[in-house]
Amino acid sequence: DAKTTQPPSMDCAEGRAANLPCNHSTISGNEYVYWYRQIHSQGPQYIIHGLKNNETNEMASLIITEDRKSSTLILPHATLRDTAVYYCIVRVGGAAGNKLTFGGGTRVLVKP
Amino acid sequence: GAGVSQTPSNKVTEKGKYVELRCDPISGHTALYWYRQSLGQGPEFLIYFQGTGAADDSGLPNDRFFAVRPEGSVSTLKIQRTERGDSAVYLCASSLTYGISSGANVLTFGAGSRLTVL
Repeated sequence: DAKTTQPPSMDCAEGRAANLPCNHSTISGNEYVYWYRQIHSQGPQYIIHGLKNNETNEMASLIITEDRKSSTLILPHATLRDTAVYYCIVRVGGAAGNKLTFGGGTRVLVKP
Repeated sequence: GAGVSQTPSNKVTEKGKYVELRCDPISGHTALYWYRQSLGQGPEFLIYFQGTGAADDSGLPNDRFFAVRPEGSVSTLKIQRTERGDSAVYLCASSLTYGISSGANVLTFGAGSRLTVL
């Protein structure tokens, strides 16, 4: 699986949008971009995933650049409960795509 | 159940002892995964099962670690002759579908079992 690069930490203000970048310059055509987050003392929680197109669900939006070498997770209105470590993961589809490889993630602190 | 259940939530043991950690996945999930997470690090893959068989055990650090899933549901991670370096949170996850081409293979994690080896 391709390696990802994320900033180690970032702060954001409560109520504002949080934009979390991820670089995955070696991504292959069959690799998906997944985002998980881990709130303190909990297991990781799935947020969203995408292949080429931008995606949105009730938690967040995922913007993938046209060349697919980077992506941005957007939390539209950050709350204090969004404080967590956010992991960007690229992962193949199909039978080989079951093993998630976590990096260090971005530690996001939402401040009042 | 509604989520992935892991027991015990906390385990303190002495160096050299044997430990078992249990994972009860979401009902109907065919794939089950074990990860280990040390303080300040991301989760590290250990092993995953498709049904009863271990499809990939490449992450198990050595032969002191073993996992089983005899009936394709509950899994047990077994650690023999524990060492202080085994101290970590052991996470279990399950997923509904094994390797579909759409990529929508979402893993649901439990809260983990914190192991402390004194």
